Amino acid sequence: AIQMTQSPSSLSASVGDRITITCRTSQDIRNDLGWYQQKPGKAPKLLIYAASSLQSGVPSRFSGSGSVTDFTLTISSLQPEDFATYYCLQYYNYPRTFGQGTKVEIK
Amino acid sequence: EVQLVESGGGLVQPGGSLRLSCAASGFTFSSYEMNWVRQAPGKGLEWVSSISSSGNHIYYADSVKGRFTISRDNAKNSLYLQMNSLRAEDTAVYYCARAPPIGLDYWGQGTLVTVSS
Repeated sequence: AIQMTQSPSSLSASVGDRITITCRTSQDIRNDLGWYQQKPGKAPKLLIYAASSLQSGVPSRFSGSGSVTDFTLTISSLQPEDFATYYCLQYYNYPRTFGQGTKVEIK
Repeated sequence: EVQLVESGGGLVQPGGSLRLSCAASGFTFSSYEMNWVRQAPGKGLEWVSSISSSGNHIYYADSVKGRFTISRDNAKNSLYLQMNSLRAEDTAVYYCARAPPIGLDYWGQGTLVTVSS
């Protein structure tokens, strides 16, 4: 199975900050990676697919980049509604695997 | 509007069985792969199983292989997860999710399964 290493596991930031979350895979997955946002008690929401494509309806402050084994999710200007946990998911092969999650908290 | 509604969760004793259902609407169910993903309390997301649009291709996580069975009824727009030989570590919220080639795009609200004596 493809191993996912997501970092950091948590971060504290202020409204307006730019933040970056990284996801590294144990083998080449081309660009078959998505990013998800999850708020407490809610289902995950797709933000980015194919490593860098913005899902419809997602604000443009979210962006993704990377390919092969190294991927990044960036939030350009953190908003109050962005405080949540973020996960990466590889869908290159089975079993699908998720990163461990990054909890973004208010500083 | 795409909707996925899970049901069937509850409290079950270790070694018991439970069948989860996911009712789909708002899209052509028979055209999409479907998945189950779970989340233990306070933990991260864990992929459980996938089934192709026709039902011909099925995959499982090692942690559930031989105990869980995924299935679908395209005529009823429904996805299922039969869970046998349940263990305490299967306690989680179980989500069904639609899976186009871009990953998992729509998720249900989840159903809680608690395995405890």
